[in-house]
Amino acid sequence: DQQVKQNSPSLSVQEGRISILNCDYTNSMFDYFLWYKKYPAEGPTFLISISSIKDKNEDGRFTVFLNKSAKHLSLHIVPSQPGDSAVYFCAASAGTDKLIFGTGTRLQVFP
Amino acid sequence: EAQVTQNPRYLITVTGKKLTVTCSQNMNHEYMSWYRQDPGLGLRQIYYSMNVEVTDKGDVPEGYKVSRKEKRNFPLILESPSPNQTSLYFCASSPLAGATDTQYFGPGTRLTVL
Repeated sequence: DQQVKQNSPSLSVQEGRISILNCDYTNSMFDYFLWYKKYPAEGPTFLISISSIKDKNEDGRFTVFLNKSAKHLSLHIVPSQPGDSAVYFCAASAGTDKLIFGTGTRLQVFP
Repeated sequence: EAQVTQNPRYLITVTGKKLTVTCSQNMNHEYMSWYRQDPGLGLRQIYYSMNVEVTDKGDVPEGYKVSRKEKRNFPLILESPSPNQTSLYFCASSPLAGATDTQYFGPGTRLTVL
């Protein structure tokens, strides 16, 4: 049973526009959420995180929104740049339990 | 430079031939883990280790073994590889267990079992 779901396998966005990547989860015990970014032939790298006590966290062009009632997480990238083209994984954990990863969304930013 | 290294990066082998994928981190992290990435399934944890000589199963441990004799190394052992273990493998480490410490991933090992 997939506890963390990314229902869009891919997303294509024009440079300069907003990219919105979505993630849904089923486990109400999750209290920490992260986004990782992965380029081809490299390991995932941490991008941004949010605790369940917050509903928004911002870091430069990246903002993560958390809607606990809907069990929904989203990553906004504004403005999108070609270098943002990568696979994005959302992940969640409950306390000090292991991270559960989603299936990933491939973002392509075109000129 | 702080990093997680894995070797080999690419490996093609045949069914039943034992292999080891090495993982080493130079950040003195306590927590290490192995994941496999498969299309449509994302990253799934195979095994993890909270510290030296402490290892435990993740979500998909069948067919794999690990050991943690030293803090920096966490090898993944496939005693008798099978084609369903063809995958992209990542080693990761973090200062402590749990998501409050972000994990640092190695570059990946692409394994093909014929």
